[in-house]
Amino acid sequence: GESVGLHLPTLSVQEGDNSIINCAYSNSASDYFIWYKQESGKGPQFIIDIRSNMDKRQGQRVTVLLNKTVKHLSLQIAATQPGDSAVYFCAENTGTASKLTFGTGTRLQVTL
Amino acid sequence: DSGVTQTPKHLITATGQRVTLRCSPRSGDLSVYWYQQSLDQGLQFLIQYYNGEERAKGNILERFSAQQFPDLHSELNLSSLELGDSALYFCASSLSSAAATNEKLFFGSGTQLSVL
Repeated sequence: GESVGLHLPTLSVQEGDNSIINCAYSNSASDYFIWYKQESGKGPQFIIDIRSNMDKRQGQRVTVLLNKTVKHLSLQIAATQPGDSAVYFCAENTGTASKLTFGTGTRLQVTL
Repeated sequence: DSGVTQTPKHLITATGQRVTLRCSPRSGDLSVYWYQQSLDQGLQFLIQYYNGEERAKGNILERFSAQQFPDLHSELNLSSLELGDSALYFCASSLSSAAATNEKLFFGSGTQLSVL
């Protein structure tokens, strides 16, 4: 599951700082959004999700914000740690799980 | 560990050949999904099987096919391979037929296919 070959935008953040990863989605009919984390050598791992009837949802150290007006989704990671280094994908869903559409991803690099 | 097992982890083959990728879903999951991840691409949905039957089709080439067996494991067959088929192939599983929008997918670690 190595994604190092992907040509992705990269966000570099110092350890302990907060990270904000942004995603623009395409379909105004999408009603469910998910953030996935893909670490080197692994498959995508579910982080947090949000339905379109919400604009904010919090998890442990992570917050997802949804702005339907501009079709924008963001993932905020508090107190970023080296273990947060990975590629992060947003995904939107307009129907069943098989209708999940993934964004191209952002690589998060945590510097010490 | 997601509980989804994919084999092999790496596969190197030549153009024109045929390969089979294998996936065992999480215990209890009835749906299996196949995704392709290539350079400059996000994850592209290929196909979904539910309880042995094809449920949904995405951007799957005619040279590719899949099936799900009675024990719920799935195989993705790629034939007449081309250089552009080199990619990471992921399998995911979910509990049911994914009729619910928020059905959670659990991904395996993928098979890295290199076509030379």
